[in-house]
Amino acid sequence: DAKTTQPTSMDCAEGRAANLPCNHSTISGNEYVYWYRQIHSQGPQYIIHGLKNNETNEMASLIITEDRKSSTLILPHATLRDTAVYYCIVMEYGNKLVFGAGTILRVKS
Amino acid sequence: EAGVAQSPRYKIIEKRQSVAFWCNPISGHATLYWYQQILGQGPKLLIQFQNNGVVDDSQLPKDRFSAERLKGVDSTLKIQPAKLEDSAVYLCASSSRGALSINEQFFGPGTRLTVL
Repeated sequence: DAKTTQPTSMDCAEGRAANLPCNHSTISGNEYVYWYRQIHSQGPQYIIHGLKNNETNEMASLIITEDRKSSTLILPHATLRDTAVYYCIVMEYGNKLVFGAGTILRVKS
Repeated sequence: EAGVAQSPRYKIIEKRQSVAFWCNPISGHATLYWYQQILGQGPKLLIQFQNNGVVDDSQLPKDRFSAERLKGVDSTLKIQPAKLEDSAVYLCASSSRGALSINEQFFGPGTRLTVL
């Protein structure tokens, strides 16, 4: 079973920041938080991952709370092409991704 | 670099028939995964290979599903015989590091299977 809880869906206006929350209250000390997304009819795509510190790359920023029980993925300037299902995943030992249902993000013009 | 290739993209069969899917991972990637994604759900890992050896097949229905990765490169996933509940998208992914390390997985476009 997935070890994370995410909202079923969210809407965001084009050009605005999209903030996608994720709860992972049972995360253990050596587990990372990974984010993937899946655009319609495509395979999932890696976005970003982190352990304790906040992380940023060309796609997004990941903010992890100090107690590591929750995190937020931030897409700073959402576009229509960011409409997708976003998966928050806590990586289990052995590199096994366990996907939940994810959050459907709809970016609207 | 070229991505993960899968074929066919779509397949329609009748129940009790057999079907096979093919995956060519990114060149040099030692780890290969097969996932099953049922409509409305996230992908579920079926089997993980490290080179040509199986690392994890705990979720693979072995009475009807089989997979191989001869020579540690391409892989095939077979279903024999197919059931209605096997209708899903079958995704192949690969990664460049060992099975016990944390690394990014690259996914192919998937094969959409419809069992009638």
